[in-house]
Amino acid sequence: AQKVTQAQTEISVVEKEDVTLDCVYETRDTTYYLFWYKQPPSGELVFLIRRNSFDEQNEISGRYSWNFQKSTSSFNFTITASQVVDSAVYFCALSEVATGRRALTFGSGTRLQVQP
Amino acid sequence: DTAVSQTPKYLVTQMGNDKSIKCEQNLGHDTMYWYKQDSKKFLKIMFSYNNKELIINETVPNRFSPKSPDKAHLNLHINSLELGDSAVYFCASSPLGTGGRGYTFGSGTRLTVV
Repeated sequence: AQKVTQAQTEISVVEKEDVTLDCVYETRDTTYYLFWYKQPPSGELVFLIRRNSFDEQNEISGRYSWNFQKSTSSFNFTITASQVVDSAVYFCALSEVATGRRALTFGSGTRLQVQP
Repeated sequence: DTAVSQTPKYLVTQMGNDKSIKCEQNLGHDTMYWYKQDSKKFLKIMFSYNNKELIINETVPNRFSPKSPDKAHLNLHINSLELGDSAVYFCASSPLGTGGRGYTFGSGTRLTVV
C-alpha cells in the first residue's frame, strides 16, 4: 500500500535561513505523482508542485526548490531565505496511476515556523 | 468564479443531529473526493466518486453517506453526529487524466460537534 512519511513534525527557523522539508514515499506503482501543498493558518490547501515519477529533474520556483530522487524514494522541499509568510503546515502527497487509486495519500505534515 | 465550492464554511451542531455539507465544482472534472482533516492535521481520503460512481470508500462509519447527483456535485451527509466527527472536511476534484495541477481543493468546512 502507498505511504508518505514526513518525519519532521515541526521545524523552527529564523528569517532568511534555508530550510529543507523531508518527504519519503512508498508505492508499488511504477507510475505515480508526487505533490507538495502548503496550508497557511487560514486553512486552505495551496498547491505548490506536482511531479510525475518519470521526471526526476529538480525544479526551482523562486525561493522554492524540489529534489526528487527515485533511488531513495524521496521528494524533498527546500525554502531558501525563508520569510515569516512561509510559516505554515506543509504536506507531501502521492497519487498512484496504474492502480486507479487516484486519491491523494498525504504525509502527516511538517509545521514550519519562521521567526522574525 | 470559485472552482470548487463547499458550503457551509463553518458548521456547529449538537451531538445526535444530522447534517449535510455540499460541494460543487465547475471545472468539468470527472472525479470528486471528500477528505477529512483531524485536529492533529492528518488528512485522509474518505470517499471518491467518478462520474457519479463510488470508487473509493475508506473505512468510514456508515453514518457518513456521500451522494453524487451529477458529476459536478458531491455532497456529504452525516447522521447521528458524534464528538469525534469534529474536523475540517475538504472536497476536491480532479480530471480523468492527471494533467496540470491534478487536484483542486475547496476551502474546507469546519465541523464542530458539541
